[in-house]
Formats: sequence, structure tokens, C-alpha cells
Amino acid sequence: LAKTTQPISMDSYEGQEVNITCSHNNIATNDYITWYQQFPSQGPRFIIQGYKTKVTNEVASLFIPADRKSSTLSLPRVSLSDTAVYYCLVVLNNAGNMLTFGGGTRLMVKP
Amino acid sequence: NAGVTQTPKFRILKIGQSMTLQCTQDMNHNYMYWYRQDPGMGLKLIYYSVGAGITDKGEVPNGYNVSRSTTEDFPLRLELAAPSQTSVYFCASSSDPWQNYGYTFGSGTRLTVV
Repeated sequence: LAKTTQPISMDSYEGQEVNITCSHNNIATNDYITWYQQFPSQGPRFIIQGYKTKVTNEVASLFIPADRKSSTLSLPRVSLSDTAVYYCLVVLNNAGNMLTFGGGTRLMVKP
Repeated sequence: NAGVTQTPKFRILKIGQSMTLQCTQDMNHNYMYWYRQDPGMGLKLIYYSVGAGITDKGEVPNGYNVSRSTTEDFPLRLELAAPSQTSVYFCASSSDPWQNYGYTFGSGTRLTVV
């Protein structure tokens, strides 16, 4: 399984753009990059997934460079409600693959 | 559409007691999972199932058992509870993982073993 490394915590202010970078140096050809969000006392929630280049949805954007050894989750104009833990996962595109969660990045959005 | 429902939400067990954590999903997902999350840590996979009648161990299966008699239900059994099993337990489900990696998680069961 590809190991991921991401910052333990980050602080931001309301209205700012937040970028959380995750490194996954030994990512394999068939691996996808997936991000989850977890609020206190709740289960994780799927945010976005990508394989290469850029993916955007109504919640976030995911930037993946050509070598795919890192990825950046971008949250535009964060609000206080975006305070959560964000997990970067590398998921093997194969039958039987399971999600492995690391410690995640604790994002604190301040007023 | 309820998604993934876990019961109970909270439970206190004495050492040596046993209990079953219930998990039900109404999305007709084949894949179901049990994770535990210790304070300030990420989630660790306990057991998973790829369909009714099929289960397999995850990263931390010791002290737990599961069954999958129907597509909807995936109960987690704790035998001889120990303080080390104090944690928050999350159940999740997904459709074919290699087509859609979006897992749907339940709201969790907070278990304390004293």
C-alpha cells in the first residue's frame, strides 16, 4: 500500500483558500488518490477523488502533478464549518482494495 | 434514504462482557466495513465483507467477530471486552470499490470498556 504523508495540522481564516498537500512517493500505476473529511463525532465523508491532472466538484479541487507523487486538496473560501480533519488516501484500483486512513490533517478555520 | 445506520450510539461495557454493534445499510452496497478510531488517530480496519456470506480480516481483527447473512446487515461482535477496545466504531459501505471509491460511513458507536 502506498504510504501517504500530510501535515498534522493547519490554521486558516474565514474566506481564505486552503491548500493541503499530501505526498505519496510510492504510488502505483493503478492507484487513485482520494480525500475524506471528518467532523468531530461523525464518520468520514468522501470529498473528492482523482487519478491525474485536476478534478473539481462543488466542494473542492484536487490537483495532481504528472508524476503523481503528491496531490493538493484545495478548499476555496473556507468557512468556520470547514474545520475538520482531512484524510488523504491512496486506493488501489483492484478488487478487494480497502481504505487505509492515516492521521489526517486537522484544519482549524478561525473567524 | 437512511444510508448507513449504526446502533447503539453509546455503550459502556464492563471488562469481560460481550456485545454486538449493529450496522445496516439501505443502498444495496455489496461492500461493508468496520473501522475503529482511537482518540486523535486515524481509522483502522477491523473486518470487511465483499458480499453476503463473505467476510475477511482487516488490520486489527483480534477480539472481534463479524457475520454477513444479508446484504443489508453487518454486525460486529465483541467477545470478552477489554479496556483496549475502548474506541469509536464506524461502519461503512460502498458499491464496487474500483469504480467508485466513495465510502458511506455511519455516525459511529462510542464504546467505553471499564
